[in-house]
Amino acid sequence: NAGVTQTPKFQVLKTGQSMTLQCAQDMNHEYMSWYRQDPGMGLRLIHYSVGAGITDQGEVPNGYNVSRSTTEDFPLRLLSAAPSQTSVYFCASRKATLPYEQYFGPGTRLTVT
Amino acid sequence: AQTVTQSQPEMSVQEAETVTLSCTYDTSESDYYLFWYKQPPSRQMILVIRQEAYKQQNATENRFSVNFQKAAKSFSLKISDSQLGDAAMYFCAYWGSNYKLTFGKGTLLTVNP
Repeated sequence: NAGVTQTPKFQVLKTGQSMTLQCAQDMNHEYMSWYRQDPGMGLRLIHYSVGAGITDQGEVPNGYNVSRSTTEDFPLRLLSAAPSQTSVYFCASRKATLPYEQYFGPGTRLTVT
Repeated sequence: AQTVTQSQPEMSVQEAETVTLSCTYDTSESDYYLFWYKQPPSRQMILVIRQEAYKQQNATENRFSVNFQKAAKSFSLKISDSQLGDAAMYFCAYWGSNYKLTFGKGTLLTVNP
């Protein structure tokens, strides 16, 4: 049982480039989320999904797209990278039922130059 | 929208001593969940303890306990017999009816030998 996996662990992009951060979970969790972590800001929700085919925006969705075609996968797409998107990105998942504990992936450190 | 406030950006404690990290939150809901997460330098988010708002009894996990004051909307974390491995960033988080986990900005805990 691998839990929540994220790839890549590190990435450097140039302004304007696009890329996809991958996230997968093998726990059959219904809910999946993407967060970004910036110094002094805690974790902020970008997008989330309550099941395959269903996604919604979080607190800071601009510049990011998501899709959820399967229960296991929840990729995050950066359409045109900007320096303001330099951050650490976390994917998380949890069951729809109690105890509502979120399981986090190891994170991706993204730098946009 | 719910907000979570951690008023102590940094705290320090001597090894084997006790330290309390503060967290307050703002909500109009009566049923919700509160969490403390630990983030060591490895960056992995680790669940420390969970509290259900409908439970009056404070949650305890080994050396970690909480003081949950629902009327005051306060949720502090007490770490007893502090160990060097407890050094980390600690995040308080709120989960309510909107399916979103809202984090505070974190408290960096240093443990001095």
